[in-house]
Amino acid sequence: AQSVTQPDIHITVSEGASLELRCNYSYGATPYLFWYVQSPGQGLQLLLKYFSGDTLVQGIKGFEAEFKRSQSSFNLRKPSVHWSDAAEYFCAVGITQGGSEKLVFGKGTKLTVNP
Amino acid sequence: EPEVTQTPSHQVTQMGQEVILRCVPISNHLYFYWYRQILGQKVEFLVSFYNNEISEKSEIFDDQFSVERPDGSNFTLKIRSTKLEDSAMYFCASSPGQPGETQYFGPGTRLLVL
Repeated sequence: AQSVTQPDIHITVSEGASLELRCNYSYGATPYLFWYVQSPGQGLQLLLKYFSGDTLVQGIKGFEAEFKRSQSSFNLRKPSVHWSDAAEYFCAVGITQGGSEKLVFGKGTKLTVNP
Repeated sequence: EPEVTQTPSHQVTQMGQEVILRCVPISNHLYFYWYRQILGQKVEFLVSFYNNEISEKSEIFDDQFSVERPDGSNFTLKIRSTKLEDSAMYFCASSPGQPGETQYFGPGTRLLVL
């Protein structure tokens, strides 16, 4: 069955430090992969997505992610975290069936940023 | 920038009551979705809708749930007889259509069933 695993439930980093959030997926076909961010009380905002081509994708707010097929991973990175990055981050895989696509989400990683 | 809107932002209802959650997708999008997020849990797919019919639905989407696009702009989720376990944040999303296209999410409706 298709699934997404985010092994870290909660991560705390200091402002200015680098960040890597892990994501592993299970899907038989070529995956479409997404990272969304959810601030408290807010909806889901797309940070970046992998569709095809270059395996290193750039997103908004200085985030990037690298698709590694051999490891079934799509880890999210940022070289220098800002206090405003504190939020919950969700990795998702797009499952195509019958012409439509549903997103299967991981359980999320909550990021706390210390001053 | 176009965005998905949802109303109401919060709804409190009594168990057994019917609720209708409303969404206005982005105007030129063709696919519409409902997801839900029970407090502290992951976001779960409920249903996808295309060309005025359901494309796919999850096991959660039982006979108590229905979706409708009553006019050219609104997309609704109806829960016929709410249960306590329906308490969750419900997100509407829309996409232009092709697989891999971004799904744009609304801000959500927080439903509390008492």
